[in-house]
Amino acid sequence: DAGITQSPRHKVTETGTPVTLRCHQTENHRYMYWYRQDPGHGLRLIHYSYGVKDTDKGEVSDGYSVSRSKTEDFLLTLESATSSQTSVYFCAISDRGLDNEQFFGPGTRLTVL
Amino acid sequence: QKEVEQDPGPLSVPEGAIVSLNCTYSNSAFQYFMWYRQYSRKGPELLMYTYSSGNKEDGRFTAQVDKSSKYISLFIRDSQPSDSATYLCAMSKGAQKLVFGQGTRLTINP
Repeated sequence: DAGITQSPRHKVTETGTPVTLRCHQTENHRYMYWYRQDPGHGLRLIHYSYGVKDTDKGEVSDGYSVSRSKTEDFLLTLESATSSQTSVYFCAISDRGLDNEQFFGPGTRLTVL
Repeated sequence: QKEVEQDPGPLSVPEGAIVSLNCTYSNSAFQYFMWYRQYSRKGPELLMYTYSSGNKEDGRFTAQVDKSSKYISLFIRDSQPSDSATYLCAMSKGAQKLVFGQGTRLTINP
């Protein structure tokens, strides 16, 4: 998985609790992305980062925040988890922002009860 | 209407068959086209990458892009059971973001 790890790999939580997912890369790539994957929707971009402390919203950013204090780490936070945020979350990295070949991590399966 | 349309399948073919997977898109600004393969409970892995129109071949895989028709294809020759996976098309305007199709679930039957 191109030097990308995600933690935790599985998590079950309750509605209203905060949740933080971590993406760690060893490739020193500039760009990092968080996606969610749901049946019928494919992969949808939540947030992305184009450098340390530089982030921007994707198409489904409501209810999510991100932070990137180091090149290698990109955190996704659900401030108050809802059942609609039950999904599989993937982190991706890229060092070629223009043509955008992205490499994906193994995913985190999140269930919000 | 979604920017990228992909038939979710499922598609089931016998081993050795030629498989054709397709996506259509609506935005003529897309310039970079990719195919990802995703095995069950794994992350997507980049399979093929093409820029603009034309064909690209890599072993048993051929990617085609027809920008005039806004249509891209992935062909798999001599399909194997190990090719069973979900195949996602993705495309970019060259602005750091990819737009994905829904994915087609493919099964190759021995």
